[in-house]
Parts: sequence; structure tokens; C-alpha cells
Amino acid sequence: QQKVQQSPESLSVPEGGMASLNCTSSDRNFQYFWWYRQHSGEGPKALMSIFSDGDKKEGRFTAHLNKASLHVSLHIRDSQPSDSALYFCAVSPNYNQGKLIFGQGTKLSIKP
Amino acid sequence: DTTVKQNPRYKLARVGKPVNLICSQTMNHDTMYWYQKKPNQAPKLLLFYYDKILNREADTFEKFQSSRPNNSFCSLYIGSAGLEYSAMYLCASSRGRSGTEVFFGKGTRLTVV
Repeated sequence: QQKVQQSPESLSVPEGGMASLNCTSSDRNFQYFWWYRQHSGEGPKALMSIFSDGDKKEGRFTAHLNKASLHVSLHIRDSQPSDSALYFCAVSPNYNQGKLIFGQGTKLSIKP
Repeated sequence: DTTVKQNPRYKLARVGKPVNLICSQTMNHDTMYWYQKKPNQAPKLLLFYYDKILNREADTFEKFQSSRPNNSFCSLYIGSAGLEYSAMYLCASSRGRSGTEVFFGKGTRLTVV
């Protein structure tokens, strides 16, 4: 069964620092990666998607995908207290890109 | 408006009783999903509607039902609630199957006692 493994489970970063989150898919049929962020009391909200090898940058957020190893990372530079949230990695199968399989999440805390 | 609305936000149910959760979206999305989220676990896809076609995941096939009377509304139905159904239930929607963003509601927290 398809699994999505995220690490670390939790991460504490000082304000202004760099946060790095990792995710690996176990099934080569699942190659479309998303990062979702969930603040307390809210539903998950998409941060960014990455479907091709290499880097994708959106503001302070950079995702890196290595399709050969099915590994994706998310790097947040200049971390802000508002970045404190639960971050989910999610993957879609090639045949149904709307169906998401989630990892268990990384809890990120930004310390002022 | 990119809002998916879920009602109620909190629901208390008795063991053995039915539960019905409601979700709506006004984005004219053709696909609507229901996920179950338990503490320290990944959100788990239960089922989804693509237009009028219901797809249920194999391992939750017999535990959950759903209906979609029109494009905007979708419900999740539990015929006989057990303690293991206590969880956060997240409704979501998206446009088509082309890798577009999936939008989530804030969830309904179901507690079964």
C-alpha cells in the first residue's frame, strides 16, 4: 500500500532561520507532489505543487523534487511566526491527480 | 470565493446511532472528497465523487456512504457509529483531475460516546 513518509515529526526554528522538511513516496506510480499547510482551527491549504525534477521557488518557499528517489523537500527561508503550522506532504497517482495520499505531517514551530 | 463549508463544526454521537455530515462548495468543482483525520495520523481518503460517480476506498468501503444531490453539496453518512469513528472529517473539492489544487473545509470534529 502506498505510503508517504515525512520527517522530522516536529521541528523548532528561530525566527528568521531556515526550516527544512522532507518527504518520500514509496510508490513510483505516485509522482505528483504537493505541500499543504494547516494552521490550528483551519483546514489544510495548498502551499505549492511540484511535478518535475529540480527546484520550484515561490517567495520564501522552495521545493526540491528528485523523481529517481521519489523524495521531495520543502525549505522555508526567513521563517516567520506565522509559518508555525502542521505541514503535510501529499502525492497523487499518475492516473488521478486529484486523489491525494497524505503523509502524517511535520509540526513546525517558529520561535520569536 | 474559494471556500468549502462544513456543518456542523462539532458533532457528538452515540454508539450505534447514525451520523450525517454536510459539505458545500460554490466553486463549481466537479470533484468532492471526504477525508478522515485522527490525531498524529495522516489524513485518510475515504471516498470521492467525480461528478455523479462515487468512488469509495477499498478499506473503508462498507463503513461510509455518501450522496451528492447536486454539484454543490455532498454528505458523509455513517449508518451505525462506533467509538473508532471519532475523528476530524475533512471535506474537500477540486476541479477535474488535472492536478489542480484541492481546497479543504475546516472540518467537522466527530466524537462518538
